[in-house]
Amino acid sequence: DSGVTQTPKHLITATGQRVTLRCSPRSGDLSVYWYQQSLDQGLQFLIQYYNGEERAKGNILERFSAQQFPDLHSELNLSSLELGDSALYFCASSPRGQAGRDTIYFGEGSWLTVV
Amino acid sequence: AQRVTQPEKLLSVFKGAPVELKCNYSYSGSPELFWYVQYSRQRLQLLLRHISRESIKGFTADLNKGETSFHLKKPFAQEEDSAMYYCALFSVLQGAQKLVFGQGTRLTINP
Repeated sequence: DSGVTQTPKHLITATGQRVTLRCSPRSGDLSVYWYQQSLDQGLQFLIQYYNGEERAKGNILERFSAQQFPDLHSELNLSSLELGDSALYFCASSPRGQAGRDTIYFGEGSWLTVV
Repeated sequence: AQRVTQPEKLLSVFKGAPVELKCNYSYSGSPELFWYVQYSRQRLQLLLRHISRESIKGFTADLNKGETSFHLKKPFAQEEDSAMYYCALFSVLQGAQKLVFGQGTRLTINP
């Protein structure tokens, strides 16, 4: 168990709706990363937070937003959902937010199905 | 632009045979590369990183800057090696650090 916890594990929702995915990093880790894994796009980096502040941004759509709270947990908000947003969303954490030097620990992911 | 390419989506070999999962990268700076593995029903986890020059579970990977490659190799495949493998590149762009992943290769070891 890597210690990174994601909820919910599975979620089915309709197009146009909004969902929130939650992530609790490993104890002591200051940085949180969000990734989207889909069949056709592979594993895509979305966004990274370090100690509450956005550190790096990847291929994150404007309909998506994220934040990291003072207790270091993070939420990924997905709005105006489309069928193509169906994917596995991973959260990961690391101690110092240095993706090349820290070991990054992944959660089990949240399966989102948009119908 | 930084990019990681894993040309094989699927790779199937027999138990005991050698395995090579290909990874090529594109990056203007000095690359730092990793292999991550995802076993069935488990989370993604780090397998090895090139700066450690280590062998994990019999796997090794050598960075070849001339060929911009970081292929993952194992001389004798085992059934428990069946998994999804991702090559990843650590990149720094305009001060932003991130891991860029390849598309992944699903490795199946046949008995």
